[in-house]
Amino acid sequence: DAGVIQSPRHEVTEMGQEVTLRCKPISGHNSLFWYRQTMMRGLELLIYFNNNVPIDDSGMPEDRFSAKMPNASFSTLKIQPSEPRDSAVYFCASSLRVAGTQETQYFGPGTRLLVL
Amino acid sequence: GQQVMQIPQYQHVQEGEDFTTYCNSSTTLSNIQWYKQRPGGHPVFLIQLVKSGEVKKQKRLTFQFGEAKKNSSLHITATQTTDVGTYFCAGIRGTDKLIFGTGTRLQVFP
Repeated sequence: DAGVIQSPRHEVTEMGQEVTLRCKPISGHNSLFWYRQTMMRGLELLIYFNNNVPIDDSGMPEDRFSAKMPNASFSTLKIQPSEPRDSAVYFCASSLRVAGTQETQYFGPGTRLLVL
Repeated sequence: GQQVMQIPQYQHVQEGEDFTTYCNSSTTLSNIQWYKQRPGGHPVFLIQLVKSGEVKKQKRLTFQFGEAKKNSSLHITATQTTDVGTYFCAGIRGTDKLIFGTGTRLQVFP
C-alpha cells in the first residue's frame, strides 16, 4: 500500500525564493496535517485539514506560510519568501478521523528544506 | 495552552540495559499515543492508550497511562541497537488535535 507521499524529498534554495512542498495523503483518509521539525523546537503542528477544510492554522508561523488542500488527494505548503530560519524537515501526515475516536496519524518521509 | 513534556531529553544506554521515558501533560488527556522516529526517518505510530491506569505491552516495550490521565511512560526492557531513535508521546484532550511531546532521543551502545 502506498503511504503518504511527499515531494520533493530534499530542497535547497536561496533566501527570498518561493518554496512549495507537496503531499499526497493515504487514499481514503480525511484528515491531513503539516508538521515542522527542528532540533530547537521539536515537532510542531503547523496546520491541519479535515475533509479538505483548514481546521486549525494556529501553528503557522507567519504570513509567509500558506497551505492549501484543493482536493482529498493533494495538499501544498508554500513559503514565500523563504528565510534561513525556515530550514527544517517538513512532514505531512494523514489519518482517518471517525467521530468519537482518536485516529492514528501516518507520516510521510518528509521534505528536508535548507534555505541558504 | 496544552503542553506535553517528556523526560529525559536524551538517554544513552549500553545494549541490554533498560530504558524509560516519561511523558507529562499540563491537562487531563482523553488518550495518549506513542510514536518512534528512527534517525533520518519519520514518526511511526506504536500504540494508543485510552483508559486510566492502562498498561499495554509490545514485546520488550511496556506502555502505561497514569491514573489521572495526565502522564504516561514507555519502558524498554533489555535495549537493543534497533531501539535507537526518538520516542514521542502525543496527547489529546477531547476531540482536539494531537499535541506531540518534546521527545526522548535514545542511543544504544553495543
